[in-house]
Amino acid sequence: EVQVVESGGDLVEPGGSLRLSCAASGFTFTNAWMNWVRQAPGKGLEWVARIKSKTDGGTTDYAAPVKGRFIISRDDSRNTLYLQMNSLKTEDTAVYYCALYSYGANTYWGQGSLVIVSS
Amino acid sequence: QSALTQPPSASGSPGQSVTISCTGTSSDVGGYNYVSWYQQHPGKAPKLMISEVSKRPSGVPDRFSGSKSGNTASLTVSGLQAEDEADYYCSSYAGSNILVFGGGTKLTVL
Repeated sequence: EVQVVESGGDLVEPGGSLRLSCAASGFTFTNAWMNWVRQAPGKGLEWVARIKSKTDGGTTDYAAPVKGRFIISRDDSRNTLYLQMNSLKTEDTAVYYCALYSYGANTYWGQGSLVIVSS
Repeated sequence: QSALTQPPSASGSPGQSVTISCTGTSSDVGGYNYVSWYQQHPGKAPKLMISEVSKRPSGVPDRFSGSKSGNTASLTVSGLQAEDEADYYCSSYAGSNILVFGGGTKLTVL
């Protein structure tokens, strides 16, 4: 059974940093492209970042609002995806989901991890 | 990259059909066959319902179908059931390794 489980969400002050983790199982993580998608309270879904498999170059891409502040990475030996979030702003407050990405679709989603940026 | 345009709400009675639209541009919906649809119940994670415009993942009822014409994609739910009441989001590849979502549509089963 495919599973992705996010962790690391917390309350952080503006300007602070936080790292989210996403533990994957039930599929070959090494070959997987992975996304982070967020959802602000009461709002819609917003794509945040994507990382390709190392086989496909391991390249990363970011949405404009987080480019230069967030870093997506992976540890294939641990089947784990990360999102390092720096210079956090109040507008980054959201539930952050990791998702397995295949053929243009987020096929499996985790339950999400809540990040609150507030003083 | 602008979000795709969805109607904020849609509704139908049990047994009826309802169609939700998702309008983009030739740079996203119209340019690629990578449109997907997600169902989200309150407090839950999104669930993939349709990928690549019209492909239904295993386990998704065949009451759900997807299509595309030009820059507009559509999700049709036939034979509405109470459990179909949820928020629905479309998404499209938008080139340059960018993914965009629609603003979401709240489907109410009357």
